[in-house]
Amino acid sequence: QVQLQQWGAGLLKPSETLSLTCAVYGGSFSGYYWSWIRQPPGKGLEWIGEINHSGSTNYNPSLKSRVTISVDTSKNQFSLKLSSVTAADTAVYYCARESIVVVSFTPRPNWFDPWGQGTLVTVSS
Amino acid sequence: QSALTQPPSASGSPGQSVTISCTGTSSDVGGYNYVSWYQQHPGKAPKLMIYEVSKRPSGVPDRFSGSKSGNTASLTVSGLQAEDEADYYCSSYAGSTRVFGGGTKLTVL
Repeated sequence: QVQLQQWGAGLLKPSETLSLTCAVYGGSFSGYYWSWIRQPPGKGLEWIGEINHSGSTNYNPSLKSRVTISVDTSKNQFSLKLSSVTAADTAVYYCARESIVVVSFTPRPNWFDPWGQGTLVTVSS
Repeated sequence: QSALTQPPSASGSPGQSVTISCTGTSSDVGGYNYVSWYQQHPGKAPKLMIYEVSKRPSGVPDRFSGSKSGNTASLTVSGLQAEDEADYYCSSYAGSTRVFGGGTKLTVL
């Protein structure tokens, strides 16, 4: 059974760079996309971006200028960096596996399961 | 990229059925059969309940069902139980991005 374990700094100052890593245990790393999703306190979910084992990425247009998602296939890990954070970036950040449906040779990642345990990142001066 | 529209709240008594809607556009919900639904209890990570509009993962009770018509997807919970009280989120494939709904708090009266 696949499990995702995530970690990273939980308290940042404004303008710093958020850095989180997610490790995948017990399953294949290829054949899926791997996503980051966040949830501000008391609010809904927001997709940040995704990466596959080859390093192909897609990002939320609203965050694209500040986001970098990378992959280390040798360790079955993927990472998130979000630069120039502000208080608005305070949230619980989740990593998740995204399953793919291939249609006409085009991969269509579309559901998230399983999820990591979540990491609360607080941005405060 | 706008969030999908869900009602903020829904409620029902034990044993009743409740339906939660999720409205998008032809660029997301209406354009693909790739809508998924997630259940989230307080302080927990979301859990997949429905994928590809109407498919149930192993272990999810058949009281949970999904459907879609046009740009609106729906999640129906039949035979409501106390443990169904949670937040529910829809999500849709939208080409190179993914989009979530704002969430619906389901209360079991």
